Amino acid sequence: DGGITQSPKYLFRKEGQNVTLSCEQNLNHDAMYWYRQDPGQGLRLIYYSQIVNDFQKGDIAEGYSVSREKKESFPLTVTSAQKNPTAFYLCASSMTGQNTEAFFGQGTRLTVV
Amino acid sequence: GENVEQHPSTLSVQEGDSAVIKCTYSDSASNYFPWYKQELGKGSQLIIDIRSNVGEKKDQRIAVTLNKTAKHFSLHITETQPEDSAVYFCAASIRQGGGSNYKLTFGKGTLLTVNP
Repeated sequence: DGGITQSPKYLFRKEGQNVTLSCEQNLNHDAMYWYRQDPGQGLRLIYYSQIVNDFQKGDIAEGYSVSREKKESFPLTVTSAQKNPTAFYLCASSMTGQNTEAFFGQGTRLTVV
Repeated sequence: GENVEQHPSTLSVQEGDSAVIKCTYSDSASNYFPWYKQELGKGSQLIIDIRSNVGEKKDQRIAVTLNKTAKHFSLHITETQPEDSAVYFCAASIRQGGGSNYKLTFGKGTLLTVNP
């Protein structure tokens, strides 16, 4: 079955450590996105990529990094420079173009302890 | 910059009543407006979408209306049920810069609670 998969579902990190969240899709989508969701704040765009080996910063990219070495994969690294990393992270993918829906993964809840 | 505004942020209704969520967008070139439903701790699912060549679209108890002149679109849920309780996000396909690339920009979400 086609879909988009995030792992792990829950992640705990010690303060000062980097951590990488996985996002894989087999939908043959060109575009992939990472969003952060905090209570009462909705979805905020961290990074997005519309083609392999290319990505752009979203609204809140500071303290995060990404790579897009393969079309299917768009991992997000939360670095120690991110001051408030505890949040729910959602990955999405879509075809490029104007009128295309996004498909979301199930999300990763990151907690800094 | 380009953005999508969504209201209200929270909405509480009695079972059987209707619920309406409204969004406005800034890019007049936007042509695609999806709505997503997110249940607690899960990813979001597309529930309905509308393209700019129509003014209204309906799917059972859910409908979406679009006013391109005013640049706003709304989600209507009739005969609400407790299982409709979730966070709903609107989105608009926003053009980036002056080129032909678009990306979805989301509203901040509306927490809908349907009370039995």
